[in-house]
Amino acid sequence: QQQVKQSPQSLIVQKGGISIINCAYENTAFDYFPWYQQFPGKGPALLIAIRPDVSEKKEGRFTISFNKSAKQFSLHIMDSQPGDSATYFCAGFSSGNTPLVFGKGTRLSVIA
Amino acid sequence: DTEVTQTPKHLVMGMTNKKSLKCEQHMGHRAMYWYKQKAKKPPELMFVYSYEKLSINESVPSRFSPECPNSSLLNLHLHALQPEDSALYLCASSRGGSGNTIYFGEGSWLTVV
Repeated sequence: QQQVKQSPQSLIVQKGGISIINCAYENTAFDYFPWYQQFPGKGPALLIAIRPDVSEKKEGRFTISFNKSAKQFSLHIMDSQPGDSATYFCAGFSSGNTPLVFGKGTRLSVIA
Repeated sequence: DTEVTQTPKHLVMGMTNKKSLKCEQHMGHRAMYWYKQKAKKPPELMFVYSYEKLSINESVPSRFSPECPNSSLLNLHLHALQPEDSALYLCASSRGGSGNTIYFGEGSWLTVV
């Protein structure tokens, strides 16, 4: 009930391409879905987040698509750059109630 | 740059040592967290302090002892650790209770020898 399933585990994308990471959740009480970006040796940094009453949120090259009926959401990175190479974690929680539940992470490598 | 500050960045300690990790935030957040992260894994929740009271302890061994002296500070006291406790220890904070967006510090790398 608490899981957030994330795929793929690793991803290699050409510079300028689109990176897509998918997540699925089980707990229908979840009402906030953040994505974190983590570079080696650093703590996770909040990248972008969405609530389930919105189907899409865009911030620069980063877009979250949300499908409430399927209980799925995804991160799209447009025009991927080598500097985007990092581990990305999706997460979900129920506001004011439960702490974050993380997906297992996706290691993204953007190659020139 | 993160507004959650952790010290030290690196710590090497023997299994009989006593050491502490420190965390500070000045965002006015009222919930603070300790997470443990192993390589290639997501962060694992250890403790949550909400309004300076311990609200969640995820069955963490007693060799880890949290302390929240005030709403801006969080400590993790370490004693008699095992080599498998070597990991990145992340402090985080959030506004209000434990169900709000969490902001992480850069972490403290702990090696137990």
